[in-house]
Amino acid sequence: QVQLQESGPGLVKPSETLSLTCSVSGGVISRYYWSWIRQSPGKGLECIGFIYQSGSIYYNPSLKSRVTISVDTSKNQFSLKLSSVTAADTGVYYCAKTTMTTYGAYYYLDYWGQGTLVTVSS
Amino acid sequence: DVQMTQSPSSLSASVGDRVTITCRASQSISTYLNWYQQKPGKAPKVLIYAASSLQSGVPSRFSGSGSGTDFTLTISSLQPEDFATYYCQQAYSTPWTFGQGTNVEIK
Repeated sequence: QVQLQESGPGLVKPSETLSLTCSVSGGVISRYYWSWIRQSPGKGLECIGFIYQSGSIYYNPSLKSRVTISVDTSKNQFSLKLSSVTAADTGVYYCAKTTMTTYGAYYYLDYWGQGTLVTVSS
Repeated sequence: DVQMTQSPSSLSASVGDRVTITCRASQSISTYLNWYQQKPGKAPKVLIYAASSLQSGVPSRFSGSGSGTDFTLTISSLQPEDFATYYCQQAYSTPWTFGQGTNVEIK
């Protein structure tokens, strides 16, 4: 059973960088895709990006200039950095394991962390 | 980006009712459509992937259908634990996008 746990500051000042880490247990991080998703009252659920073995990374174009996703296989963790944050970046941030089926390349988010609330405020 | 529109935004139903939620994509997404259930304070949980494949461990009262632009999630007999918000998500093209959600409430 794969388990994910987000960690990081719950309060970030405007213009600073939001940094979160997702610790994975019960699964080898190098074998799967891993995603970051956020949820806010204004924008609903939004996919931030995903990573696979460090060599394949996708960022949502709406955030691409500010986002970095990386993976540390030695610690079985992956991370999110979002720079120059504003109040619009306030929300609950989730990390999730992303499965791709062997047929048809169907992707879906099958294991999620509990989520962490990040508030951007001075 | 592919826009996903769910209807209704909310509904009231009783235990035992058959419930249908609709999701429409702004362009054809074949069957690259997933359904999630979210309860207050919890992360979403996948119910259906690839439009109609039931995720392991999910009760068989949940089913999905559709292809192209129109999809449905059906709960054949609503149970007390099914009161939640349901989201569709397309994984046909990046960025993956979600519907706005359908809140299923107790009548």
